Amino acid sequence: KQEVTQIPAALSVPEGENLVLNCSFTDSAIYNLQWFRQDPGKGLTSLLLIQSSQREQTSGRLNASLDKSSGRSTLYIAASQPGDSATYLCAVSVNTGNQFYFGTGTSLTVIP
Amino acid sequence: KAGVTQTPRYLIKTRGQQVTLSCSPISGHRSVSWYQQTPGQGLQFLFEYFSETQRNKGNFPGRFSGRQFSNSRSEMNVSTLELGDSALYLCASSFGTAKNIQYFGAGTRLSVL
Repeated sequence: KQEVTQIPAALSVPEGENLVLNCSFTDSAIYNLQWFRQDPGKGLTSLLLIQSSQREQTSGRLNASLDKSSGRSTLYIAASQPGDSATYLCAVSVNTGNQFYFGTGTSLTVIP
Repeated sequence: KAGVTQTPRYLIKTRGQQVTLSCSPISGHRSVSWYQQTPGQGLQFLFEYFSETQRNKGNFPGRFSGRQFSNSRSEMNVSTLELGDSALYLCASSFGTAKNIQYFGAGTRLSVL
């Protein structure tokens, strides 16, 4: 069974700092990996989607990398802002359907 | 473009009752997935429906069931509610395969007393 782990569980940084969130998965036979953010009391918002054949994806201040062989992905956030405060979740799919295994998340607080 | 709509937003039920949750996907999306989110277990996959057929199923007891209608709207049913079923239930829709971005609704908060 696929297990997804995220480290750290919580992170607090001053505004403007660059930061890295980590995600690891036990089975490298993934179809793709997505990073989401979840704001309190709300659903999830997809940030980046990396297909298994890709190494990284970028969107604005966000960059996600994928290393299938080592079972790792990182989400890099540049020049963090208070609006980035949320819980960040990574999820991997193991087939072409939409069955995703989620990590436990990293709760990020950006201090003004 | 309207997002994924889940109704109701909040529900309070008692043990032994049953409950039905509804999810309306984004127009044109044919896949609807359901997840249970709890503080202890995090987000866990329940099942996925695509074109009215269950395509994937997670490891939940048979008390949890679902269906999808021809307009892609989906319902999830939980029978014989237990205290441990208290959770945020989220649905996600996408065009079809895992190559496509998943869009999540705001969820239904179910409390079982």
